[in-house]
Parts: sequence; structure tokens; C-alpha cells
Amino acid sequence: DTGVSQDPRHKITKRGQNVTFRCDPISEHNRLYWYRQTLGQGPEFLTYFQNEAQLEKSRLLSDRFSAERPKGSFSTLEIQRTEQGDSAMYLCASSYGTGGTPGRLFFGEGSRLTVL
Amino acid sequence: DQQVKQNSPSLSVQEGRISILNCDYTNSMFDYFLWYKKYPAEGPTFLISISSIKDKNEDGRFTVFLNKSAKHLSLHIVPSQPGDSAVYFCAASARTDSWGKLQFGAGTQVVVTP
Repeated sequence: DTGVSQDPRHKITKRGQNVTFRCDPISEHNRLYWYRQTLGQGPEFLTYFQNEAQLEKSRLLSDRFSAERPKGSFSTLEIQRTEQGDSAMYLCASSYGTGGTPGRLFFGEGSRLTVL
Repeated sequence: DQQVKQNSPSLSVQEGRISILNCDYTNSMFDYFLWYKKYPAEGPTFLISISSIKDKNEDGRFTVFLNKSAKHLSLHIVPSQPGDSAVYFCAASARTDSWGKLQFGAGTQVVVTP
């Protein structure tokens, strides 16, 4: 399977704990995106990388959130001191930097976070 | 602020009939519009898109119409099939942003009944 993969698929944690999600994009894609989706809403943009450079962060991404993409391959999204409001589906997507259909993203299956 | 709105949270349609999904947007800087489809426990998958310089794009059973003056787009599925039962998200992008920085609507759950 050469699609976008995310791990873990589901994480249950207690308030105040740190969690980390991993995303492996499609290998030939140089752009990687993180989105968050809550119940009944569409995905919301969090941040994106072109290769290893983080080019934009949404104001939704508080300082408890940090994302990295070392070496421009896989990416991690870490949430420190989790709060119940962080409970959501965290979606990773990748795309070509140029060429292809504008806005066409390839999404992973998501990592669902539940904060108790 | 919700820049992309899908005002119908659900739609039920009979197999073989037309499904029409609607989407409104407020930001005139958007110049590319997309529809994504999502099945339970899967990520969204790209369905069809349209540039702001066009008013129609067709791909098989799926057609997207864009009315820029009304800031409105719609997705037509003809004929509807049971496998089309899913959540459909309207999304928009601006050239001034990264193309992949999409604004999504809240989605419309489509149920196709036999």
C-alpha cells in the first residue's frame, strides 16, 4: 500500500498527558499537511510542510502543538498537556508541490484522539 | 469564520435519481473549488474540482457547477448509486495561499436508498 499512513489510529489519554502522532506521506510528495476534524465539522487546516520546512501554521495551532518533518519524509504532530478540547480526528495529507490538480490532497485514515 | 458553508447536513435519494449537493462561500479570493468524499473510518478522498474560470466540470456521473456571482457551487451525481452513500465535503482554495490549504464545509451526509 503506497498511500498516506498514520499511526496510531486511535489514542486514548488522560488530560495533561503528551501525545504524538506520526504520518508517512506518499513517497514522491513533497508537501505534507495536518488537519483536525471534530464531530459534525469539516477538516480544519493546522499546518503544512514543503520538504522539511514548516511554511505555515494556523492560529488553531496553540503553543502546546508542535509539528516536525525531519529530512522531509515522515512527520510528527505532538500535543503537550492535552486538554479535553483536543479530542478530535487528526488527519494528515500529502500532495505534489507543483503540478497535479490544485488542492488535490491525499489523506490518511486519521488518528483519533480521545482525552479523558 | 466559516468561509465555506454546506447548509444541508443530510440528503436522502433513491437509487437511480439525481443527487444535488450545494455549497456557498464568502471569500472572493477563492479560485479553486473541490469536492471530497468520505466513507466511515477512512480519510477524505478527492472527487472532482473546478477552477474559478470555469462554470462546469464533468467527470462521469459527477458534475460540478460554479456560479461565481452568487458564490455558489453544486455537485450533481447522476444516477445515484448505493456506493455513493458517504459524507461529501465542499472545499475551496486560494492561489495566494498554498493550494493545499483548504477551507472545508461541514459536509453533507448522502444516503442512497434502493
